[in-house]
Amino acid sequence: KAGVTQTPRYLIKTRGQQVTLSCSPISGHRSVSWYQQTPGQGLQFLFEYFSETQRNKGNFPGRFSGRQFSNSRSEMNVSTLELGDSALYLCASSLGLAVTGELFFGEGSRLTVL
Amino acid sequence: KNQVEQSPQSLIILEGKNCTLQCNYTVSPFSNLRWYKQDTGRGPVSLTIMTFSENTKSNRRYTATLDADTKQSSLHITASQLSDSASYICVVSPNWDSSYKLIFGSGTRLLVRP
Repeated sequence: KAGVTQTPRYLIKTRGQQVTLSCSPISGHRSVSWYQQTPGQGLQFLFEYFSETQRNKGNFPGRFSGRQFSNSRSEMNVSTLELGDSALYLCASSLGLAVTGELFFGEGSRLTVL
Repeated sequence: KNQVEQSPQSLIILEGKNCTLQCNYTVSPFSNLRWYKQDTGRGPVSLTIMTFSENTKSNRRYTATLDADTKQSSLHITASQLSDSASYICVVSPNWDSSYKLIFGSGTRLLVRP
């Protein structure tokens, strides 16, 4: 059974640019949640999508957005990149909502903003 | 305020020794508590998930305990191996409802030395 796939694994952008990250969940999983991980802040929740609807959102500015497609694949977008956006972005899939059961994480997309 | 605190922040032990990691939470209501292992540069992997009615759960050499009365959990690693070197993250779920968000601890970084 294939795991959670995130692309790209690594990317470098400059300030002001935008970036789109992709996440393919485990087959049959309907929830995809996104997290930002930095050395100083640990794992922070960005948002969760379930059946194409955003179910919850963390405390991040509107520059961070996401969506989920009918096949449960999800994308997140960060516009007008800032240096502080450099981080490991993780997505996780689950059968039900993230608060209810086990999360399966991808390997992450490491974003460096110069 | 809902918080999850982990201790110690970091720990160094010799291969073959046992160790115990702590997680204290002030989350209410409470639904479940999870422990994840995260190797450097990789996504977290689930070790255990416990509801309020479970006191102990084991996964190979990892044993998690939960005391819902004192709001404490521990993760005990038996006969440590070099591959146990990783960060261990405690995560608490407040409720089954999507309006709630997972609360993440900042993790304990474990280094196992030969």
